[in-house]
Formats: sequence, C-alpha cells, structure tokens
Amino acid sequence: DADVTQTPRNRITKTGKRIMLECSQTKGHDRMYWYRQDPGLGLRLIYYSFDVKDINKGEISDGYSVSRQAQAKFSLSLESAIPNQTALYFCATKERGNTGELFFGEGSRLTVL
Amino acid sequence: GESVGLHLPTLSVQEGDNSIINCAYSNSASDYFIWYKQESGKGPQFIIDIRSNMDKRQGQRVTVLLNKTVKHLSLQIAATQPGDSAVYFCAENIGSSYKLIFGSGTRLLVRP
Repeated sequence: DADVTQTPRNRITKTGKRIMLECSQTKGHDRMYWYRQDPGLGLRLIYYSFDVKDINKGEISDGYSVSRQAQAKFSLSLESAIPNQTALYFCATKERGNTGELFFGEGSRLTVL
Repeated sequence: GESVGLHLPTLSVQEGDNSIINCAYSNSASDYFIWYKQESGKGPQFIIDIRSNMDKRQGQRVTVLLNKTVKHLSLQIAATQPGDSAVYFCAENIGSSYKLIFGSGTRLLVRP
C-alpha cells in the first residue's frame, strides 16, 4: 500500500461544482502539502500544514481551501470549480525540519468542464 | 495519457552516456535544494539533495553541483539507462518554513 494515498485519482466535473480531493498518509509525518501541476509549469504550492489545525497559504491559494482535522489527513476543496483549475494535484508529506524530502502521492487528475 | 511536460525542454542522450541537467534558481537566499524525478503517471520521487554550504554531493550514479555565485544547480547522471527517462525537477527552499519552490522541469529521453 502507498504511504501517501490520494482519492479520487481522476475526476471530471462541471463548472460551479464543489470538489474535494482527499489525502491520507501512513508515514506519521507532521507536515502535509498540496501542489498543483500544469504542463510546463512544474509544481506550484497551494496550501501547506505543519500540524493539525495549522493552515498556511502557498503561491496559488485563491479558489482553494484545505482542512487538516487529523495528522494523517489533509483535504483540498474547490468550492466552485472553474475550467482553469483543470490540473494534476499532488499531496505530499514531510517529517519535521527544514531539510529532507517531500514524499508525494500518485496525484489526482481533475478536469473541470 | 499524461499531459505533464508537453512544453518542457528536452535532453536526449544515448544509453550509457552521461547526462547533465541544468537548473537556474531564483533566490540567492535559498539554503536547500532538491532534485526530483517524475515518471509518467506518477508522483515526483526524491533523487538527491544539497545544502547551500556545500558545492557538490554524490549519490548512486548521480551527482549534484551547486554554484551559488551564478545561482545554478546541475544534476549529473552517470551511465544513463532507459529507466532514467523521466521529467526532472529542481526545487529550492527559502527560509525556515520549508516551502519548496519547483522549477519547470526538463524531460530526459534515453535513446537505446
């Protein structure tokens, strides 16, 4: 089983719908992150959390919200999806400290029509 | 299929040759750097990291070089193999809160 699990892996939705992407981890890490990936743009940070109930904005937080109700879970919501939010979304986790790698999930592909 | 990386710069190398992937980073205050590999349909995987107080670090078949004077990072892969074909990203961390900022990536294609 994967250490960082994202659901759903693929989702097609319509403009204006509310969407939630879920991330759960079994690594016991305190820190969790949501990134968005678009072709040719690498990964951009949406939100991150250093602990339960701790929420921090990243580079591109507008149009998104997150919830960290438990150490192992970090969910990303699009309250009213729009087509330019069509992208590949990655959740990542990390242990405490300012060095060390991020462990990524397999990604959630979202298409907004 | 996977659409990530449609417009990425591409490096094509012969199997067995050495590969060098370059990255220019943006902030002179960045203190930590990582290289990630992303295969089609998968999440990024850690390759190697380096702190700003070093200029070279070696791993298994990979070497990262850091030139802070010109804000340049490179990843060298020795004896490139077909399994090395992927998109490679450099990432930098600025400050104490660990927020990795990723570059746009380079696609490595290994010719048999």
